[in-house]
Amino acid sequence: SQQGEEDPQALSIQEGENATMNCSYKTSINNLQWYRQNSGRGLVHLILIRSNEREKHSGRLRVTLDTSKKSSSLLITASRAADTASYFCATALQGGSEKLVFGKGMKLTVNP
Amino acid sequence: DGGITQSPKYLFRKEGQNVTLSCEQNLNHDAMYWYRQDPGQGLRLIYYSQIVNDFQKGDIAEGYSVSREKKESFPLTVTSAQKNPTAFYLCASSPRQLVTDTQYFGPGTRLTVL
Repeated sequence: SQQGEEDPQALSIQEGENATMNCSYKTSINNLQWYRQNSGRGLVHLILIRSNEREKHSGRLRVTLDTSKKSSSLLITASRAADTASYFCATALQGGSEKLVFGKGMKLTVNP
Repeated sequence: DGGITQSPKYLFRKEGQNVTLSCEQNLNHDAMYWYRQDPGQGLRLIYYSQIVNDFQKGDIAEGYSVSREKKESFPLTVTSAQKNPTAFYLCASSPRQLVTDTQYFGPGTRLTVL
């Protein structure tokens, strides 16, 4: 797998259900970030979790980070049609080559 | 309103022509970035700048050039040397000279080579 790979690649749910997206990565990170992109638009930052944090909440969003498994999950509770978008995880690499590496993204469709 | 603006939203270019994409921010952010996004793909870093009058190559800099003469502006030129320039281009900025910070994105420019 590449650095920052989302799973599943696509998810279709009904309004009101919860949506869970996973991100796996390969190398040590400073932080991990989740972004949303509506079709044809720029990315919007959702949440940042640092490597020494295990869980973070923001509104209907819950992010967890397991550095031992090199994985993160993003949970959107009580989904709405407006949550339909592509979601990207971005990993902030440690060490000499500091940069933010984006995954390929996953497409969430919330049906009304 | 504070934010990042990119212009134009759509751009068409003939093969062999250079074209410049505009990116302006009024957030007083130190760092600015250019990414390329192809259909179904993630973002790939073209160039970034952490401070005025300085910039660094990203992962796919070949065929592109940038300048950072002012803090608020980071234009990207797509040269004729770029073999496959048709893509969606995104500009971003972050508050500090720290490339692992939260990034704030513009609305993007869709470039099509005819």
